[in-house]
Amino acid sequence: DAGVIQSPRHEVTEMGQEVTLRCKPISGHNSLFWYRQTMMRGLELLIYFNNNVPIDDSGMPEDRFSAKMPNASFSTLKIQPSEPRDSAVYFCASSSSGTRYNEQFFGPGTRLTVL
Amino acid sequence: SQQGEEDPQALSIQEGENATMNCSYKTSINNLQWYRQNSGRGLVHLILIRSNEREKHSGRLRVTLDTSKKSSSLLITASRAADTASYFCATYTGANSKLTFGKGITLSVRP
Repeated sequence: DAGVIQSPRHEVTEMGQEVTLRCKPISGHNSLFWYRQTMMRGLELLIYFNNNVPIDDSGMPEDRFSAKMPNASFSTLKIQPSEPRDSAVYFCASSSSGTRYNEQFFGPGTRLTVL
Repeated sequence: SQQGEEDPQALSIQEGENATMNCSYKTSINNLQWYRQNSGRGLVHLILIRSNEREKHSGRLRVTLDTSKKSSSLLITASRAADTASYFCATYTGANSKLTFGKGITLSVRP
């Protein structure tokens, strides 16, 4: 199994530009999570999906952030317009809520730098 | 506020020593999990302990759980330089799919 796949691994963009981060969860997993990690705030849950449906987006910082999961094998996190304070590492994780214990499998992350 | 709070925030030990990291949480849980994050990488699941368990072992890892004190500890025995990483506890309440992570402990193992 390839594990959770994220792209791009690194993204450098200028303030005001649109940024799209992509995630392919592990096949068969039906829960998908987007996290943001910074030195100041640690690991923050932004949004998660069960069976492609957004369940809790209370962690999404503001309307500039949006996430979609059009099918079981693909999700995007979009920032429009981007700001320097969005610079962080963004992780996608997946799990199988069919199991009882919900161990999560993380992707390698996308390091976003907004200039 | 964070469900899981790790202690200490940073730990530096000599190779071969044992490393003990603690986690406290606030609400009732279904299970508690520990994850490791190497620099520049995603988190990796290490071990899970259920609310009805008190101790669990996996290789050089030993996890304890005290639900009366709402706390857990992770012990790494005979540490190696390769154990240098950040360690996170995460709690699962069973109410939904999500885990709540603490802020992490930075462990440095000196060769």
